[in-house]
Amino acid sequence: QVNLVQSGAEVKKPGASVKVSCRASGYTFRNYYIHWVRQAPGQGLEWMGIINPNTSSTSYAQKLQGRVTMTRDTSTSTVYMELSSLRSGDTAVYYCARDLGAPGVDFWGQGTLVTVSS
Amino acid sequence: DIQMTQSPSSLSASVGDRVTITCRASQSIDNYLYWYQQKPGKAPMLLIYGASSLRSGVPSRFSGSGFGTEFTLTISGLQPEDFATYYCQQSYTTWTFGPGTKVDIK
Repeated sequence: QVNLVQSGAEVKKPGASVKVSCRASGYTFRNYYIHWVRQAPGQGLEWMGIINPNTSSTSYAQKLQGRVTMTRDTSTSTVYMELSSLRSGDTAVYYCARDLGAPGVDFWGQGTLVTVSS
Repeated sequence: DIQMTQSPSSLSASVGDRVTITCRASQSIDNYLYWYQQKPGKAPMLLIYGASSLRSGVPSRFSGSGFGTEFTLTISGLQPEDFATYYCQQSYTTWTFGPGTKVDIK
């Protein structure tokens, strides 16, 4: 069965970087794009970007350009999201999600809480 | 970026009620519109894609309509498990989500 398993919670200081992983299983990793979406406490959903695991091409939200980097490791079927120059406003639950194309996303990771605090 | 708005931001309803949520895009997005349900502490769950197509496994009391800039999500006969927050999302360009509509118990 399809599964996206994310890395555990992180606590970081302002200015630091965080790297969250999302390991895929149960399907052909290269065949489906992966999105990253975050949600600050009590707030709505914010799209961060997308990676093509086959080609490693990416597209990022304009707001995060220059701070976010998405990569993949096909040998472990894992995608990574790294966010740098962290500030308190980056405190959020970060989700990865598998994209089917027109039918939308079908599977989500369990979420990773990143807390930015001095 | 395309901006998405939703109305109302919250509503109170009773089991059995018909509920309608509206989503508007700042420019035409054809039918590149999705609806999600999210419960506290959980990842969002896709309900509707292509503005009006029901995702497999989603109860038929959920329906979507619209094209261009105005869209609606209707829940016909609200059930206890439907109390949640609902988000619209466009994929005409890079994704953007609406701010959400919280449906709670009257």
